[in-house]
Amino acid sequence: DTGVSQNPRHKITKRGQNVTFRCDPISEHNRLYWYRQTLGQGPEFLTYFQNEAQLEKSRLLSDRFSAERPKGSFSTLEIQRTEQGDSAMYLCASSLLGDEGRTYNEQFFGPGTRLTVL
Amino acid sequence: DQQVKQNSPSLSVQEGRISILNCDYTNSMFDYFLWYKKYPAEGPTFLISISSIKDKNEDGRFTVFLNKSAKHLSLHIVPSQPGDSAVYFCAATLTGNQFYFGTGTSLTVIP
Repeated sequence: DTGVSQNPRHKITKRGQNVTFRCDPISEHNRLYWYRQTLGQGPEFLTYFQNEAQLEKSRLLSDRFSAERPKGSFSTLEIQRTEQGDSAMYLCASSLLGDEGRTYNEQFFGPGTRLTVL
Repeated sequence: DQQVKQNSPSLSVQEGRISILNCDYTNSMFDYFLWYKKYPAEGPTFLISISSIKDKNEDGRFTVFLNKSAKHLSLHIVPSQPGDSAVYFCAATLTGNQFYFGTGTSLTVIP
């Protein structure tokens, strides 16, 4: 399977605990995005990487959230001191930046990690 | 601040008829628009896109229309099939760095 994979698919945690999610993008894709989706809403942009550099971060992303992409391949999203409001589906997507320096290519999404904070 | 809006949460269409899904946006600087389809328990899947320099793009049964003056785009599916039943999201971007998604429209195609 050469698509985007995410692990775990489901995570249940207690309020105050830390959680970490992993995303493995399509291997040749240099851009990686994290989104959050709650019920009845569309995906909400959190952050994105170009190779290992984190180029943009949503203002909605609190300091409890951190993302890394250390070698420009897989990425992790960590949420510290989880709150009930963090319960959502966390989606990862990847795309390929074209030679012309702009990408409007389609983003390939993973199946998501559903987080439930009790 | 919702920059991309889908005002119809749901739509039901008879099989074989046309499905028209609508999307409005507020930022006139958006230069690329996309439609995604999402089935339950799966991530969104890219369907079709359009650059702001065009007003129509067609791919098989799917056509996207862009009206820049009205800041409106629509997705036409002809003919609609039961397998098209899913949630459809429109998205917009400026420079391809950040993508803004609508809230989705749930399409049901009735056999």
